[in-house]
Amino acid sequence: EDKVVQSPLSLVVHEGDTVTLNCSYEVTNFRSLLWYKQEKKAPTFLFMLTSSGIEKKSGRLSSILDKKELSSILNITATQTGDSAIYLCAVPGSNYKLTFGKGTLLTVNP
Amino acid sequence: NAGVTQTPKFRILKIGQSMTLQCTQDMNHNYMYWYRQDPGMGLKLIYYSVGAGITDKGEVPNGYNVSRSTTEDFPLRLELAAPSQTSVYFCASSSFRDRSFYEQYFGPGTRLTVT
Repeated sequence: EDKVVQSPLSLVVHEGDTVTLNCSYEVTNFRSLLWYKQEKKAPTFLFMLTSSGIEKKSGRLSSILDKKELSSILNITATQTGDSAIYLCAVPGSNYKLTFGKGTLLTVNP
Repeated sequence: NAGVTQTPKFRILKIGQSMTLQCTQDMNHNYMYWYRQDPGMGLKLIYYSVGAGITDKGEVPNGYNVSRSTTEDFPLRLELAAPSQTSVYFCASSSFRDRSFYEQYFGPGTRLTVT
């Protein structure tokens, strides 16, 4: 059974701090790893990391895949209150199904 | 494009009642999914479909049924609602034609309470 474990489960920081969120996975046939951001409503896609591209960046957010350690990190620099959300990590398994971690609840205080 | 739409947004059911959660996508995606999200528990897959007429169980299918008669629609049926089905339900879709079908597009969710 595929497994995704995220840590920490919750995190409180001040605006301007840098945060690192962790995701480790166990999957039979690794294809990719995805990060989503979930504010009050539905998850929205952030990044997809595959074996052929181990780092992605978008503004203050970046993500790295470590295939040896079966893990990924999501970094957010110079955090803002608008970064407050649940960050979800997911890996696709058999039959095109995604297995999600429980998420990290990030709270950025002004 | 509206993307993925879900109705209703909120619903309160009594124990034993039935209801159908509607999901429609206008992106011509092959794949559609139903998830439930309980507090602090991430997303759990209930059912999914790889095309019209084809559905399969996910991780937590008990108490639910689905059908996929068209590419656009993927309704989720709850029979005999139980308090354990109190949750937020998300529908999602994806397509091989996108850069990766693993990038799923989510609907806004339905918050269901069973009392």
